[in-house]
Amino acid sequence: AQSVTQLDSQVPVFEEAPVELRCNYSSSVSVYLFWYVQYPNQGLQLLLKYLSGSTLVKGINGFEAEFNKSQTSFHLRKPSVHISDTAEYFCAVSPPRGSGNTGKLIFGQGTTLQVKP
Amino acid sequence: DTEVTQTPKHLVMGMTNKKSLKCEQHMGHRAMYWYKQKAKKPPELMFVYSYEKLSINESVPSRFSPECPNSSLLNLHLHALQPEDSALYLCASSQDQTSSYNEQFFGPGTRLTVL
Repeated sequence: AQSVTQLDSQVPVFEEAPVELRCNYSSSVSVYLFWYVQYPNQGLQLLLKYLSGSTLVKGINGFEAEFNKSQTSFHLRKPSVHISDTAEYFCAVSPPRGSGNTGKLIFGQGTTLQVKP
Repeated sequence: DTEVTQTPKHLVMGMTNKKSLKCEQHMGHRAMYWYKQKAKKPPELMFVYSYEKLSINESVPSRFSPECPNSSLLNLHLHALQPEDSALYLCASSQDQTSSYNEQFFGPGTRLTVL
């Protein structure tokens, strides 16, 4: 079974400062990893995903994440945040085909990013 | 077109009402999902349809009844709901249920309030 832990429930940061949102996962098999963003009163939008290959993944809106297999982490980073980045961020995992994949995404509890002026 | 649409955007209903939520995608995806999301919580999976057949029911109460009339449409029929069912209901779709990776595309959701 897989599980996802987002280590911070809230991250306050000032505009133009860098930010890191932490995500750790637990799994006995290889997994695919995702970060989704949810702006207020909206659905979830995919920011980026790690399937294989380069461990540094670049996504939309200037976000990137680094997959670290030894530490089972997939932390999300942005070098300079904007007010418009204020949102809820969810890390999620999915096991690959043939590894008990039932189509389920396993989500972390979410991190609220609050960007202050 | 990489969009999942949901109607209505907001819905207020009494505990004796019958209503339906609708979801549509035109990406040729063969898996569609219903999620329930409470405030400040991650989405909770309710149902999965794969090739228009119900594949997963996460022990959802029978007052929620899903329907997949065709590969582009997904409905959620609601009857005799309770106030605790008030939530954001999200629809999602993916290429298929067990594809090499399961990138799910989400709709904007229906905000449901049960009085």
